[in-house]
Amino acid sequence: SQTIHQWPATLVQPVGSPLSLECTVEGTSNPNLYWYRQAAGRGLQLLFYSVGIGQISSEVPQNLSASRPQDRQFILSSKKLLLSDSGFYLCAWSVHNDEQYFGPGTRLTVT
Amino acid sequence: LAKTTQPISMDSYEGQEVNITCSHNNIATNDYITWYQQFPSQGPRFIIQGYKTKVTNEVASLFIPADRKSSTLSLPRVSLSDTAVYYCLVTDNAGNMLTFGGGTRLMVKP
Repeated sequence: SQTIHQWPATLVQPVGSPLSLECTVEGTSNPNLYWYRQAAGRGLQLLFYSVGIGQISSEVPQNLSASRPQDRQFILSSKKLLLSDSGFYLCAWSVHNDEQYFGPGTRLTVT
Repeated sequence: LAKTTQPISMDSYEGQEVNITCSHNNIATNDYITWYQQFPSQGPRFIIQGYKTKVTNEVASLFIPADRKSSTLSLPRVSLSDTAVYYCLVTDNAGNMLTFGGGTRLMVKP
């Protein structure tokens, strides 16, 4: 069966510090991968999606970046965090246009 | 990308049927309509997906009119545990990408 992992579960970082969130998927090959952010009380905002290794599409211009070094690994990064980067970050995978499966999420607080 | 519009919130009582309508006026021919449920601090969970007419599973029904510019998620006999945010979204078949709307916050009261 397929599983998706995200870590860390929670993170508190000072403004200006770097960020690295990791997502890995097991049990499937060549999935589409997604990073979403959800601000408190708000809907989901798609940040990045990837249809293959090294292929990243960005939906929102910002100080975040994403990378896909391996087929089932998706990394969200920032060189310098802003207060506005606080939120709940969700990684998801799908096969083509089918339903998306979401990870447990990372709650990031930038102080 | 087809954007979606949903009511921000709805209230209901246990045992009632709840219908949440979503507008997606710019839906494309190849797009599907999908609904997700999200509890606080958890990732969204797939509920149902459809292309046209009616789809039913063990959790909900999805009604899509012929013009496909809207859809209605129907939850039969809701319980307190159905209190959650429900997202309607439209797939982008060309880009294999989904866009979430703002969601509808459903509050089920005893």
